[in-house]
Amino acid sequence: AQSVTQPDIHITVSEGASLELRCNYSYGATPYLFWYVQSPGQGLQLLLKYFSGDTLVQGIKGFEAEFKRSQSSFNLRKPSVHWSDAAEYFCAVGDSGTASKLTFGTGTRLQVTL
Amino acid sequence: KAGVTQTPRYLIKTRGQQVTLSCSPISGHRSVSWYQQTPGQGLQFLFEYFSETQRNKGNFPGRFSGRQFSNSRSEMNVSTLELGDSALYLCASSLGSGGTDTQYFGPGTRLTVL
Repeated sequence: AQSVTQPDIHITVSEGASLELRCNYSYGATPYLFWYVQSPGQGLQLLLKYFSGDTLVQGIKGFEAEFKRSQSSFNLRKPSVHWSDAAEYFCAVGDSGTASKLTFGTGTRLQVTL
Repeated sequence: KAGVTQTPRYLIKTRGQQVTLSCSPISGHRSVSWYQQTPGQGLQFLFEYFSETQRNKGNFPGRFSGRQFSNSRSEMNVSTLELGDSALYLCASSLGSGGTDTQYFGPGTRLTVL
């Protein structure tokens, strides 16, 4: 069965600093990978997704992620963080080569200091 | 285009009762999935419905059930509520075409069991 690990439970960065959130997955074939963001009391908003092709994917709100098969990683990055980026971020992998039945990581809570 | 809507947004029930949650997908989406989010277990997949049929199922007891109507709206039911069922229940919709389909989440229903 597939699994997702987000090693960092909580990260604090200063506004304007760069950000990298780590995600490692376990999956036999080429995974379908996602990053979602959740603000307090809200549902999940899709930031970006990877299915195949270019390993660097661009998402909304200035986020990007890079798929590295050799490291089984799909890290999320942003060059300059804004205070409004404070939220919880979830990495997910789809089941059996599909984008359904998502398995989520435990999430990384991002705090932004001014 | 309107997003995924879930009703009600908040519910308080007592142990032993049953509850029904509703989800209206994005127009044109035929697949609806349900997830449970708790602080202890994180985000877990409950089930997916497509064309009124359950297509995927997670590892939850039979007290958790769902259905989908011909207009793609979905309901999930939890019978004989337990304290541990307190959670945020998220619904996600997608086109249902499989493969690179993407799930879009609603705001969730916050269920509290007393």
